[in-house]
Amino acid sequence: DAGVIQSPRHEVTEMGQEVTLRCKPISGHDYLFWYRQTMMRGLELLIYFNNNVPIDDSGMPEDRFSAKMPNASFSTLKIQPSEPRDSAVYFCASSTTGLPNEKLFFGSGTQLSVL
Amino acid sequence: RKEVEQDPGPFNVPEGATVAFNCTYSNSASQSFFWYRQDCRKEPKLLMSVYSSGNEDGRFTAQLNRASQYISLLIRDSKLSDSATYLCVVNTNAGKSTFGDGTTLTVKP
Repeated sequence: DAGVIQSPRHEVTEMGQEVTLRCKPISGHDYLFWYRQTMMRGLELLIYFNNNVPIDDSGMPEDRFSAKMPNASFSTLKIQPSEPRDSAVYFCASSTTGLPNEKLFFGSGTQLSVL
Repeated sequence: RKEVEQDPGPFNVPEGATVAFNCTYSNSASQSFFWYRQDCRKEPKLLMSVYSSGNEDGRFTAQLNRASQYISLLIRDSKLSDSATYLCVVNTNAGKSTFGDGTTLTVKP
């Protein structure tokens, strides 16, 4: 299996621009998670989906952030407009069941820099 | 207070040393527990699950104390390749994973 695939690996943009991050989960995994990692705040859960339906988006920082999962093999995280404080590594992860004892498989992440 | 708190580190130890990391969690309804490893500029990867009875995986031993809401990871005979950040992870019944901020370990020759 190819694992969780994220694109792009690096994104540099200017403040005010729209940014779209993409994720392809492992085939057969029903749960998809978006995390953000910074030095100051560590790894934070932004939102997660079960069977393409958003379950918990309480971690989404503000209305500038939105996430979609139009089908089982694709999800996007969009930031519009982007701000310098959005600079971070964004990870996508997937799991098979979402049960408490289920481990997460992470993608390689997208390093976002907003200038 | 954060839901999952870890030793801030960093830990700098010589090869062959034994080192232990601690983690506490605040949600008493937490169901399962893990240690993940994250190398610099890489994604987190599962190191091991943590069971109530304690469990070993080679040089690594994990323990859980539900009464004290405390998890630990012990690394024996540390290797240079053990240098990484170790993340404590706690899952609730809803399947939500909460990560600690991580403890950085550097093993030196």
